[in-house]
Amino acid sequence: DQQVKQNSPSLSVQEGRISILNCDYTNSMFDYFLWYKKYPAEGPTFLISISSIKDKNEDGRFTVFLNKSAKHLSLHIVPSQPGDSAVYFCAASAREAGTALIFGKGTTLSVSS
Amino acid sequence: DVKVTQSSRYLVKRTGEKVFLECVQDMDHENMFWYRQDPGLGLRLIYFSYDVKMKEKGDIPEGYSVSREKKERFSLILESASTNQTSMYLCASTPGTPGGYTFGSGTRLTVV
Repeated sequence: DQQVKQNSPSLSVQEGRISILNCDYTNSMFDYFLWYKKYPAEGPTFLISISSIKDKNEDGRFTVFLNKSAKHLSLHIVPSQPGDSAVYFCAASAREAGTALIFGKGTTLSVSS
Repeated sequence: DVKVTQSSRYLVKRTGEKVFLECVQDMDHENMFWYRQDPGLGLRLIYFSYDVKMKEKGDIPEGYSVSREKKERFSLILESASTNQTSMYLCASTPGTPGGYTFGSGTRLTVV
């Protein structure tokens, strides 16, 4: 059973607009959440994270929101740029489980100019 | 910068062969991981290791084994390669915090 779900396989956005990528989780023990970005033929790179004690974390154009009661998090990219086109993975971990991350299936973002 | 190096970018192996995928990190990280990435399935954890000679099964360990004889090196072994193990394999390491993952560039393995 999937513990981290990204229900939208793909998202298309115009340059300059907002991209919103969503992620749901089922395990209430998860206490740390991350977003990774992946280009073809490269390994994923860390983008932004949020601890369960927060509901928002911001880094430049990227903001992650966490709604613990809904077990939902989202990544906002504003403004979107063509270079943001990539696969975005949501990941989660539980302190008691160590540092192993559980990843979602990914969402492919395409930003058109 | 932490570097995680996977020895091969592309590999083609025959069914039944024993396959070794090597991963080396240069920052003295305790924790190392092997994932595979498949379209529509995301990244799935195969095995991980928190210390030398220690290993833990991930979500999909069947058909794989691992070896960690030295802290910097974590090897993934396909005992008898099968076509359903055709995939992108990704190695990662972290010093002990989940946010500190650094991934290698991946090995695209094709089993024919």
